[in-house]
Amino acid sequence: DGGITQSPKYLFRKEGQNVTLSCEQNLNHDAMYWYRQDPGQGLRLIYYSQIVNDFQKGDIAEGYSVSREKKESFPLTVTSAQKNPTAFYLCASKIGGSSNSPLHFGNGTRLTVT
Amino acid sequence: DAKTTQPPSMDCAEGRAANLPCNHSTISGNEYVYWYRQIHSQGPQYIIHGLKNNETNEMASLIITEDRKSSTLILPHATLRDTAVYYCIVRGNTGGFKTIFGAGTRLFVKA
Repeated sequence: DGGITQSPKYLFRKEGQNVTLSCEQNLNHDAMYWYRQDPGQGLRLIYYSQIVNDFQKGDIAEGYSVSREKKESFPLTVTSAQKNPTAFYLCASKIGGSSNSPLHFGNGTRLTVT
Repeated sequence: DAKTTQPPSMDCAEGRAANLPCNHSTISGNEYVYWYRQIHSQGPQYIIHGLKNNETNEMASLIITEDRKSSTLILPHATLRDTAVYYCIVRGNTGGFKTIFGAGTRLFVKA
């Protein structure tokens, strides 16, 4: 089955450590996105990529980094510079960056930093 | 992208139609209306989208007013598994999905 896989589902880290969240898709989608969701709130865009080897900052990129070396993979690193990293992280993809096709989401990674 | 307004919560009896409204009064001509839902601790699930005509699929119907300033998502026969947060978003045909998801409507389907 085609889809988006995020791993792990739950992740625990100590403050001051960098951590990388995995996102893989086999939908052959060009565009990929990372969102953050805090309790009771909507989604906020961290980074997005419309093509391999290119990505843009979203609204809350500070303290995060990404890479897009392969079409199917878009890992997100939460660095120690992110002041409040505990959150639910969602990866999404869609066909092309400028079409009306909908986003497809993974099932998220819940990161807890103590 | 235009802003959307949704009621924070709604109730619906199981088996009845659930009608979820969304206001998008600043929508522009090339912007589509999309609906997603999110069940607790899962990723959002795409439901339906449209530009100006009403749309129907196996999950739901989307009714867009003639002036396109509001829309209604209809779940024709709600079940307990439809209990979720429903998000209405508006997006143009270019660029990425930037800040798009607000707090949505929490739908409670009751037996």
